[in-house]
Amino acid sequence: KAGVTQTPRYLIKTRGQQVTLSCSPISGHRSVSWYQQTPGQGLQFLFEYFSETQRNKGNFPGRFSGRQFSNSRSEMNVSTLELGDSALYLCASSPQPQDRTYGYTFGSGTRLTVV
Amino acid sequence: QKEVEQNSGPLSVPEGAIASLNCTYSDRGSQSFFWYRQYSGKSPELIMSIYSNGDKEDGRFTAQLNKASQYVSLLIRDSQPSDSATYLCAVNDFGNEKLTFGTGTRLTIIP
Repeated sequence: KAGVTQTPRYLIKTRGQQVTLSCSPISGHRSVSWYQQTPGQGLQFLFEYFSETQRNKGNFPGRFSGRQFSNSRSEMNVSTLELGDSALYLCASSPQPQDRTYGYTFGSGTRLTVV
Repeated sequence: QKEVEQNSGPLSVPEGAIASLNCTYSDRGSQSFFWYRQYSGKSPELIMSIYSNGDKEDGRFTAQLNKASQYVSLLIRDSQPSDSATYLCAVNDFGNEKLTFGTGTRLTIIP
């Protein structure tokens, strides 16, 4: 069974540009969450999608957005990139929200570097 | 006060000994608790989940939950060098439908 797939694995972008990251959840998983991981802040929640609806959003500026498609695949977009957006972006999937026994399975992440 | 707190370490434990990792959380509404292991340069990997008070064992790992004290721990018995990693505690409040992570404890097993 394939795991959570994130593309691309690495990205280098220039300040002011925008970027789109992609996530394909485990087959059958309908809930997708996004996290940002940095050495200083650790894992910070960005947003969570289920059935193409954003159900929760973390404390990030509006430059960070996302969406989920009918096949549960998800994308996140960051516009007007800043140096501080350099981080590992992790996607996680679970069968459904409120599955208290399952937790989340993480993808390998996309490492974004903004120069 | 941070929502989920962990001792950042590093925690050094001799091979074969018991490693004890601790986590406290502030939201009494929290319902599920997870331990993730993250090797350097890799993504977090779920190793244990617990949602009832008491102990839950899985192989060399035991998770312990005390909701009254808002405390969750992870014991690793017969520690191996391959257990050297950062261990992340995560808490799920279904009202918010998200995982809140601690900053992690870096564990080093000394051969």
